[in-house]
Amino acid sequence: AQSVTQLDSQVPVFEEAPVELRCNYSSSVSVYLFWYVQYPNQGLQLLLKYLSGSTLVKGINGFEAEFNKSQTSFHLRKPSVHISDTAEYFCAVGGSQGNLIFGKGTKLSVKP
Amino acid sequence: EAQVTQNPRYLITVTGKKLTVTCSQNMNHEYMSWYRQDPGLGLRQIYYSMNVEVTDKGDVPEGYKVSRKEKRNFPLILESPSPNQTSLYFCASSYWGSTDTQYFGPGTRLTVL
Repeated sequence: AQSVTQLDSQVPVFEEAPVELRCNYSSSVSVYLFWYVQYPNQGLQLLLKYLSGSTLVKGINGFEAEFNKSQTSFHLRKPSVHISDTAEYFCAVGGSQGNLIFGKGTKLSVKP
Repeated sequence: EAQVTQNPRYLITVTGKKLTVTCSQNMNHEYMSWYRQDPGLGLRQIYYSMNVEVTDKGDVPEGYKVSRKEKRNFPLILESPSPNQTSLYFCASSYWGSTDTQYFGPGTRLTVL
């Protein structure tokens, strides 16, 4: 069975500091990995995805993630966060039914 | 503008009163699905559809129905809502499922009293 574990439910950080949001996955089939962001009172939008190829994936808004097969991880990073990055972030793995299997989310709170 | 729309955005109802939440996409996507989001549980898939007239259960289908009579529309039906269906619901669509970017609607917040 496929599953996703997001290791931190909340991450507070100061503006302009670096941040890492951690995600571990379990999958017995081909691995397709995603990070989605949900701003307050909005739907989800794709930040980045890994399907194959380079293990370092760059996304929108300066975010990047690294696929590590041996560690079964797909951690999301940003070198310098802004207040506007305050949101909930979801890691997901592609399921065998064409669905996305989501982690429980990490709330990123950026403080001035 | 490419988008997924949902209606209503907010709904308060009572136990047992049938309701429908509509979902429509204008991107000619084959794949559509419904998720519910609950605090601390992330998003869980309710039903999905690979194409017109093709639907299947997701992880939490109990108490829900769907139909896909047209490619663009994928309504979610609660025939007899119960309080445990109080949740935030999202519709999503993509060309071919999990390897493709899924586009999410703005969400429908449902409260069942």
